[in-house]
Amino acid sequence: DQQVKQNSPSLSVQEGRISILNCDYTNSMFDYFLWYKKYPAEGPTFLISISSIKDKNEDGRFTVFLNKSAKHLSLHIVPSQPGDSAVYFCAATLDSWGKFQFGAGTQVVVTP
Amino acid sequence: SQTIHQWPATLVQPVGSPLSLECTVEGTSNPNLYWYRQAAGRGLQLLFYSVGIGQISSEVPQNLSASRPQDRQFILSSKKLLLSDSGFYLCAWSAGTSGGSDTQYFGPGTRLTVL
Repeated sequence: DQQVKQNSPSLSVQEGRISILNCDYTNSMFDYFLWYKKYPAEGPTFLISISSIKDKNEDGRFTVFLNKSAKHLSLHIVPSQPGDSAVYFCAATLDSWGKFQFGAGTQVVVTP
Repeated sequence: SQTIHQWPATLVQPVGSPLSLECTVEGTSNPNLYWYRQAAGRGLQLLFYSVGIGQISSEVPQNLSASRPQDRQFILSSKKLLLSDSGFYLCAWSAGTSGGSDTQYFGPGTRLTVL
């Protein structure tokens, strides 16, 4: 059973605009969340994280929002750039061993 | 700085043949190590994780196995590959110091095609 879901398999956004990626989870015990970015034929790279004690974390153009009551996570990229075109995975964990549950990913395409 | 290596980068194997994928980490000691698989159109599925030499936990029952013969070496194996084993295999490590809040760092991956 998929505990972390990214219901939008793809997203197309114009350069300079905001990209909003969504992620829903079912396990209310998850206490740490991350976003990874993945280019084709490469391993994912860490982008940004958020602990369950916060509702927002910002790093440059990337902001992650956490709504615990709705079990919803989102990533905002502002402004979107062509180099942001990649697959974005959200991940969650409740485990002391760092066993993350990953969503299926959202393919972002930033057009000029 | 820490570096994670995986090889081979790509592999084409016939059904029923054995498999051995290797992952090594440099620049850190006693890392947690992970094997993931990304199948076409799907997210990352955790296959195995290890918190120390000889300590392997399996997340998904399958015909794959993992071993950790050295602190910074993690091997994914199979005695007989199935068509469904095709996918992109990723090794990852984390420092293991913050428990679940450790960021995981991924290797470049191995693209396995079973024919």
